[in-house]
Amino acid sequence: RKEVEQDPGPFNVPEGATVAFNCTYSNSASQSFFWYRQDCRKEPKLLMSVYSSGNEDGRFTAQLNRASQYISLLIRDSKLSDSATYLCVVRLRGKFYFGSGTKLNVKP
Amino acid sequence: EAQVTQNPRYLITVTGKKLTVTCSQNMNHEYMSWYRQDPGLGLRQIYYSMNVEVTDKGDVPEGYKVSRKEKRNFPLILESPSPNQTSLYFCASSLSPTAIGETQYFGPGTRLLVL
Repeated sequence: RKEVEQDPGPFNVPEGATVAFNCTYSNSASQSFFWYRQDCRKEPKLLMSVYSSGNEDGRFTAQLNRASQYISLLIRDSKLSDSATYLCVVRLRGKFYFGSGTKLNVKP
Repeated sequence: EAQVTQNPRYLITVTGKKLTVTCSQNMNHEYMSWYRQDPGLGLRQIYYSMNVEVTDKGDVPEGYKVSRKEKRNFPLILESPSPNQTSLYFCASSLSPTAIGETQYFGPGTRLLVL
């Protein structure tokens, strides 16, 4: 079983839409949680860390549910520039585990 | 500027010809890691290092070697490359192997084609 699982998508949404991604992780001892963004064939870049209390950065909101072992990312008012692959990342005992990514296409 | 650098960025080679991809970070990070990314398979960890002289296998270490003789450098060595090692490779670093909430920073990637 994979440590981190994500729906690969693609999610095709119009500009201005709200879209949500979830991912699940298998090990309840996981310690840190992140969302990364990756543009085509470029390096992943940190979008935001995820905390149990939830956190928001502009149009992006991340939530962590430890009881159910899932992490979510909500994007409001989608822009064309949000088109990318979003990677869910979990850290456990020093190692980072990546989901395979969810592809988002925002259409005009 | 704080960054992770990789060289070369692009490399075409032939089967069996030893090669090294260098990785260097200027952030005094303890943790460094190598990943490969292939279509449909996501990022897979090859090797990682918690500190100088401490390295461990990741999920796909076969055919690769690493060394960590100094904190800033973490080269990836392919002793005898094969076509199935054609991939996009990323180096990454993180301040501490154990700090909660500490994230990873990635290099720009190295595209390798083995003929």
